[in-house]
Amino acid sequence: AQKVTQAQTEISVVEKEDVTLDCVYETRDTTYYLFWYKQPPSGELVFLIRRNSFDEQNEISGRYSWNFQKSTSSFNFTITASQVVDSAVYFCGSTEVLVGDMRFGAGTRLTVKP
Amino acid sequence: NAGVTQTPKFQVLKTGQSMTLQCAQDMNHEYMSWYRQDPGMGLRLIHYSVGAGITDQGEVPNGYNVSRSTTEDFPLRLLSAAPSQTSVYFCASSYYPNPTYEQYFGPGTRLTVT
Repeated sequence: AQKVTQAQTEISVVEKEDVTLDCVYETRDTTYYLFWYKQPPSGELVFLIRRNSFDEQNEISGRYSWNFQKSTSSFNFTITASQVVDSAVYFCGSTEVLVGDMRFGAGTRLTVKP
Repeated sequence: NAGVTQTPKFQVLKTGQSMTLQCAQDMNHEYMSWYRQDPGMGLRLIHYSVGAGITDQGEVPNGYNVSRSTTEDFPLRLLSAAPSQTSVYFCASSYYPNPTYEQYFGPGTRLTVT
């Protein structure tokens, strides 16, 4: 079965620091999708990005960037010049294309201090 | 559009009681799912549905039942509540009949079982 590991339980940085959240996945399928969601202190879950297994291009969206490496089964998320508003729990997830099952990691709580 | 709605927002149950958590979406989404969020465990999939009349088990289905009689509604039933079911429950939906695209999450239901 698929599995997602977010080894970093909590990270604390000072504003303007860069920070990388790690995500390692396991899957037996060759076609799968990877996701990142954000859960701010208000509690809602917000979609950030989706990546399929055939697209290894890195993605940049403003201060956010994602590095997908199939060789290491990793899909890491970097926030450049972090801000207090980035404080949240971030979840990495994966799903295989032929199943309806989605798995998330345990989440990484990021605290950005002013 | 209201998106994904969940009721109630908070609920306290006594051990052995039963209840139904309601979830509805007005986006005509095929895929709907239920997750529970526990500290250190991330989001774990309980049950999911790829369309009306079709449901399947996720990672932690024991103690929960679901049905999908309409596209819009996906209630989660706790048959005999146990303290281990104390959690925050999220319902989510996605346009395609699988979670390979963005899922839209409801605001969550915080359940306490005493």
